[in-house]
Amino acid sequence: QKEVEQDPGPLSVPEGAIVSLNCTYSNSAFQYFMWYRQYSRKGPELLMYTYSSGNKEDGRFTAQVDKSSKYISLFIRDSQPSDSATYLCAMSATGNQFYFGTGTSLTVIP
Amino acid sequence: GAVVSQHPSRVICKSGTSVKIECRSLDFQATTMFWYRQFPKQSLMLMATSNEGSKATYEQGVEKDKFLINHASLTLSTLTVTSAHPEDSSFYICSARPARATYNEQFFGPGTRLTVL
Repeated sequence: QKEVEQDPGPLSVPEGAIVSLNCTYSNSAFQYFMWYRQYSRKGPELLMYTYSSGNKEDGRFTAQVDKSSKYISLFIRDSQPSDSATYLCAMSATGNQFYFGTGTSLTVIP
Repeated sequence: GAVVSQHPSRVICKSGTSVKIECRSLDFQATTMFWYRQFPKQSLMLMATSNEGSKATYEQGVEKDKFLINHASLTLSTLTVTSAHPEDSSFYICSARPARATYNEQFFGPGTRLTVL
């Protein structure tokens, strides 16, 4: 079983839609949870960081962590064509070694 | 702030040659740098962790004699792929952790696409 599972998509939504991206994990020791955005042929860019459980909001982005279910989510409100990218979740127990999901490819159609 | 650069962005080489990739933190000092490899439609896989002034720690299955890592300063780490073969073709990404990280964040470089013919 992989440490982190993420549906690769692809996911295609109309502009303005709410997007929900999810990851599940198996290691209960994970306590650092990150979401990265990666454009084609570029390095990942940190979007959201959450420590332990709970919600975090930043503009149109909301990250949720449910440690009891080993499930994390990223919501994008009022999606824009510029949000089209691959979204990677990442997790860590100690903050040193990061475990990444395979990424979900998102296309927002104008 | 927190910009990480990589050079070159793309390299094509013949089988059997060695390729050096540089990773630089431009506006911060990084005590720790990480090297990842990403195959198409797959996750980033950590290859090794390097701390300035000490030997790199390699992940299981990564050949340290093939992937030489040097972290010579607080702003520069290099990855040398020695005697490259077509199966080494991949997207190599480095990340750097600031010396004064508020949490264990990593800032990623733009990646280097290596193609071995």
